[in-house]
Amino acid sequence: DAKTTQPNSMESNEEEPVHLPCNHSTISGTDYIHWYRQLPSQGPEYVIHGLTSNVNNRMASLAIAEDRKSSTLILHRATLRDAAVYYCILRDWTSGTYKYIFGTGTRLKVLA
Amino acid sequence: DGGITQSPKYLFRKEGQNVTLSCEQNLNHDAMYWYRQDPGQGLRLIYYSQIVNDFQKGDIAEGYSVSREKKESFPLTVTSAQKNPTAFYLCASSLSSGGMYEQYFGPGTRLTVT
Repeated sequence: DAKTTQPNSMESNEEEPVHLPCNHSTISGTDYIHWYRQLPSQGPEYVIHGLTSNVNNRMASLAIAEDRKSSTLILHRATLRDAAVYYCILRDWTSGTYKYIFGTGTRLKVLA
Repeated sequence: DGGITQSPKYLFRKEGQNVTLSCEQNLNHDAMYWYRQDPGQGLRLIYYSQIVNDFQKGDIAEGYSVSREKKESFPLTVTSAQKNPTAFYLCASSLSSGGMYEQYFGPGTRLTVT
């Protein structure tokens, strides 16, 4: 199974950029890298995803290493509302269909 | 508004009783998923369905059952065979099961079995 490794927790000051790393050394050539975030007692929220090239959207940027064995989610200016658990996920092709494998994620704390 | 609804938000049951958790989506998505989350842990896949009348077991399907008779509905039954049913249950959907499609999650149902 494709797996991801993330730090358990990180801290950032408000209004500063945050770089959340993820290692996925067993990624296969067609696996997309997805990021979701989850607030306490809520369902996860989609943040961004990509395949090979760096991606930007209104929430964040995703930087993917050239060998695709790691990626970094970039929040350009952290706000208190960005405090959440961030999950880096790979699609896993099993038995002819796709599943999403969630790890334990990175708990981001934003300091005012 | 398009989205996923799960009901109820909180559910309490006695041990030995089966309980069914509701999940409905109006996003016209083909694929739907059920996850379980324990305190401080990530999500684990219980069942998923790529299309109506079809579903597959995920990583922790024992003690659970599902049906997918309608595109918009994917109910999960927690049976008395599930040894530790107390958990936060999350339903999700995606346009298709391919990796390029993001998942949309419902608000979750917190099940407590005593």
